[in-house]
Amino acid sequence: EPEVTQTPSHQVTQMGQEVILRCVPISNHLYFYWYRQILGQKVEFLVSFYNNEISEKSEIFDDQFSVERPDGSNFTLKIRSTKLEDSAMYFCASSVRIANTGELFFGEGSRLTVL
Amino acid sequence: AQSVAQPEDQVNVAEGNPLTVKCTYSVSGNPYLFWYVQYPNRGLQFLLKYITGDNLVKGSYGFEAEFNKSQTSFHLKKPSALVSDSALYFCAVRDDDGGFKTIFGAGTRLFVKA
Repeated sequence: EPEVTQTPSHQVTQMGQEVILRCVPISNHLYFYWYRQILGQKVEFLVSFYNNEISEKSEIFDDQFSVERPDGSNFTLKIRSTKLEDSAMYFCASSVRIANTGELFFGEGSRLTVL
Repeated sequence: AQSVAQPEDQVNVAEGNPLTVKCTYSVSGNPYLFWYVQYPNRGLQFLLKYITGDNLVKGSYGFEAEFNKSQTSFHLKKPSALVSDSALYFCAVRDDDGGFKTIFGAGTRLFVKA
């Protein structure tokens, strides 16, 4: 069964450092998302991406965050200068072409720890 | 803007008994509603969705959910709980305005005792 894969599974970084989290969505999906979950609790929307551009973003997704799809398969989330409060589990998700009615397929997550 | 409420942080049920996990929503248009399950240290897995049509939808692992427009609810149910159903359950909503954003509730932890 096709799946969304994420790397790394866990990253530890120092405050102020740049972090890149990588995702390979399901191959025939066209809509991509990043969510985060802090302490195993609420799942928060960060950004959606379609047709090589951001379609929606939340207030969490400030100038420190960026996304790109550099090569047609990977989908990355970059945090330019990490803060302690960025520590969370980051989930990538994708959905099929009928985005509005399609369910999300999630990866296993990348745990980010900022020291 | 859409929102989702899951009023119970935790639901406890004995194995073999029916279970209900509650969810209410708010959207400006018509809702697209989803349930997801998360096992420890795993990603979220899709269980079922309501888009249109029959108010009772059936999903994976014997779960079902009933859409009630007048009460703006979408409660998750299962006739007979299993210990293996113990997990974190999330209700989610998307507005039918063509937007891409799916908003998740705070989650309800289900404990099924043997």
